[in-house]
Amino acid sequence: EAAVTQSPRSKVAVTGGKVTLSCHQTNNHDYMYWYRQDTGHGLRLIHYSYVADSTEKGDIPDGYKASRPSQENFSLILELASLSQTAVYFCASGTGVYEQYFGPGTRLTVL
Amino acid sequence: GQQVQQSPASLVLQEGENAELQCNFSSTATQLQWFYQSPGGSLVSLLSNPSGTKHTGRLTSTTVTKERRSSLHISSSQTTDSGTYLCAIDDNYAQGLTFGLGTRVSVFP
Repeated sequence: EAAVTQSPRSKVAVTGGKVTLSCHQTNNHDYMYWYRQDTGHGLRLIHYSYVADSTEKGDIPDGYKASRPSQENFSLILELASLSQTAVYFCASGTGVYEQYFGPGTRLTVL
Repeated sequence: GQQVQQSPASLVLQEGENAELQCNFSSTATQLQWFYQSPGGSLVSLLSNPSGTKHTGRLTSTTVTKERRSSLHISSSQTTDSGTYLCAIDDNYAQGLTFGLGTRVSVFP
């Protein structure tokens, strides 16, 4: 059974619209992360969380909000989607000490 | 901030050949992971190896922490090994991974 799932798997959004990407983990991990992957930049950290109801900024948080309503769920919110936010988004979970486990990714296209 | 450099950028192998991928990083790593990204885009964790040598199947990773480098050795390559291999570092206790750009491996029969 997949331990980190993401929805939707792909999405087309319009510029200026609101987008919510969802992540669910069944690993019982405290830590959850959102990354984006772009050609030429590799994967970069957007936001992370180590406990429910709390989120932290990563390396590229501008234009993104995160929400962690429970240990299992972590959302990434684009309030005003822009063309530059077209990318593949990966969610991951981890214990904070050992390795991180990644979801299948969400391909977001902003038009 | 942390920088992760991977080499070579790409590698072409004939099935059965061995390969060595390199990862160099700019500051001390508390965690180091090697990932495989399939041509379809999915990410799979291969090894977690912040120091020393670890083996799994045909893969061996050696990390020399003091020298800030890690290698991933693939033995007896197979066509199914084709894809991109990513090295990622955590240098601040669970505050997220910093990734290299990867080594694209192509294995031909």
